[in-house]
Amino acid sequence: DQQVKQNSPSLSVQEGRISILNCDYTNSMFDYFLWYKKYPAEGPTFLISISSIKDKNEDGRFTVFLNKSAKHLSLHIVPSQPGDSAVYFCATPTGTASKLTFGTGTRLQVTL
Amino acid sequence: ETGVTQSPTHLIKTRGQQVTLRCSSQSGHNTVSWYQQALGQGPQFIFQYYREEENGRGNFPPRFSGLQFPNYSSELNVNALELDDSALYLCASSLVGAPDTQYFGPGTRLTVL
Repeated sequence: DQQVKQNSPSLSVQEGRISILNCDYTNSMFDYFLWYKKYPAEGPTFLISISSIKDKNEDGRFTVFLNKSAKHLSLHIVPSQPGDSAVYFCATPTGTASKLTFGTGTRLQVTL
Repeated sequence: ETGVTQSPTHLIKTRGQQVTLRCSSQSGHNTVSWYQQALGQGPQFIFQYYREEENGRGNFPPRFSGLQFPNYSSELNVNALELDDSALYLCASSLVGAPDTQYFGPGTRLTVL
């Protein structure tokens, strides 16, 4: 049973437009969420995080929104750039060892 | 400040063999976690080490084992390799007091033939 779900395997957006990547989770006790970006042949790079005490966190072009009642979070990238083309994973710590549970990822392609 | 490094970058083994993967964590990080990422999947947690002791384990069999050294570097050992062990193995380290934000190395691509 997947605790963290990314239902869109891929997304294509034009350069300069907004990219919105979505993530759903199953357990209302989850209280911290992270987004990672991954280029081919590299490890995931930490992008931005949000605690459940907030509903929004912003860092430059990246904003994460958290809707606790819907158990849903989204990552907005504005404006999208070709260098943003990568696979994006949402993740949350689960269990006592702060293990991260990841979604399956969304491949973002930003076109010219 | 150096990031998380892993060696080797790529490795090819045959079924039944044993493999050791290595990780040097980021300066100031005392917790190391290992993940397996199969093609098309998100990373799956294998186990975590804190102060040289295993601090949690995912759903992986005992032939997956690890070590953490006093300098916080770490090893992942896999015995009796199976074809399904072919994957990208990722090491991640985290700051003292902030274990939830983990910083990943570039990974080791293991192919089992």
